[in-house]
Amino acid sequence: NAGVTQTPKFQVLKTGQSMTLQCAQDMNHEYMSWYRQDPGMGLRLIHYSVGAGITDQGEVPNGYNVSRSTTEDFPLRLLSAAPSQTSVYFCASSRRSGRPYNEQFFGPGTRLTVL
Amino acid sequence: KQEVTQIPAALSVPEGENLVLNCSFTDSAIYNLQWFRQDPGKGLTSLLLIQSSQREQTSGRLNASLDKSSGRSTLYIAASQPGDSATYLCAADSGNTGKLIFGQGTTLQVKP
Repeated sequence: NAGVTQTPKFQVLKTGQSMTLQCAQDMNHEYMSWYRQDPGMGLRLIHYSVGAGITDQGEVPNGYNVSRSTTEDFPLRLLSAAPSQTSVYFCASSRRSGRPYNEQFFGPGTRLTVL
Repeated sequence: KQEVTQIPAALSVPEGENLVLNCSFTDSAIYNLQWFRQDPGKGLTSLLLIQSSQREQTSGRLNASLDKSSGRSTLYIAASQPGDSATYLCAADSGNTGKLIFGQGTTLQVKP
């Protein structure tokens, strides 16, 4: 299993540009989520999904959109990039049931810089 | 609202010491608590997960405990090694929804 994969690893955008961060998992996990990690702020939840077709907002959802059309994929869209969105983005997935309950697996991250 | 705190923010110890990392949370109604390791510039690696019904979990030199009544979890590292140098994060899942609330982390340096 590849686990949780994220592309790209690095990205530089100009203010106002849009882009999609890709996340995929091959473990048939129901739960998927996106976090951003900033110095001094720790990891904060952006959006999450409990299954295909179901998404909800986390702690810091503004400026981001998500959709979940398949169990495997959970892309994160930046609609109009702003310098405040410069961060490291992590995707995570976990099972809804079965032991160990809800152990989260993280991808390697995408390092995004918005100029 | 669940809040997770880790103290200290940084810790430096000589090789071979046993050490304890602390994690506290404000809402005792947690579903599970997970400890992660993060190396510089890398992603998060799961170390241990403790269910709300459990008191502790062990993996090799690592032992994590959970005390919901006091809102605390500890990660015990035995016989520390320079390779243990990393940032350790704890995170609480309050509702079996895959939503984690993270602490700020403790950056550990183990000196040879």
